[in-house]
Amino acid sequence: DQQVKQNSPSLSVQEGRISILNCDYTNSMFDYFLWYKKYPAEGPTFLISISSIKDKNEDGRFTVFLNKSAKHLSLHIVPSQPGDSAVYFCAASAGSNYQLIWGAGTKLIIKP
Amino acid sequence: DVKVTQSSRYLVKRTGEKVFLECVQDMDHENMFWYRQDPGLGLRLIYFSYDVKMKEKGDIPEGYSVSREKKERFSLILESASTNQTSMYLCASSLGKRTEAFFGQGTRLTVV
Repeated sequence: DQQVKQNSPSLSVQEGRISILNCDYTNSMFDYFLWYKKYPAEGPTFLISISSIKDKNEDGRFTVFLNKSAKHLSLHIVPSQPGDSAVYFCAASAGSNYQLIWGAGTKLIIKP
Repeated sequence: DVKVTQSSRYLVKRTGEKVFLECVQDMDHENMFWYRQDPGLGLRLIYFSYDVKMKEKGDIPEGYSVSREKKERFSLILESASTNQTSMYLCASSLGKRTEAFFGQGTRLTVV
């Protein structure tokens, strides 16, 4: 049973436009969420995180929104650039738990 | 910059062989993790360690063991490699419970 779901395996966006990646979760105990980016043949790199006490966190072109009532978070990338083409994973953790629960990933393709 | 280094980028092993995957981090992080990544399944935690000589099972520990004799080094051992252990293996480290994890470049293991 997947506790963290990324329902879109892939997403194609025009360069310069907004990319919106979505993530749903089922465990109401999750209180910390992270987004990672992964290029082929490399390990994931941390992008941005959000605690459940917030509903938005922004870092440059990246903004994460959290809707706790809907158990949904999204990552917005504005404007999208060719280097943003990668697989994006969302991950979640609960309380003092060490373990991150990961979604299956969404492959973002930025078209020129 | 945090550096997490995995000993091999690519490995090919035969069924039944004992396989060692090594991981070293240089930032004095307390926590270290081993994941495997398979298409459509995201990252799945095999084992993690929150201190020297301490280890905890993750979601899929069967067929694997780990060793952490020094703080900076975390080894994953496949006791008797099988074809269903063909995968991308990712090592990560983190400073605390609610901090981002830093990943190595990954080891693509093929068991034939």
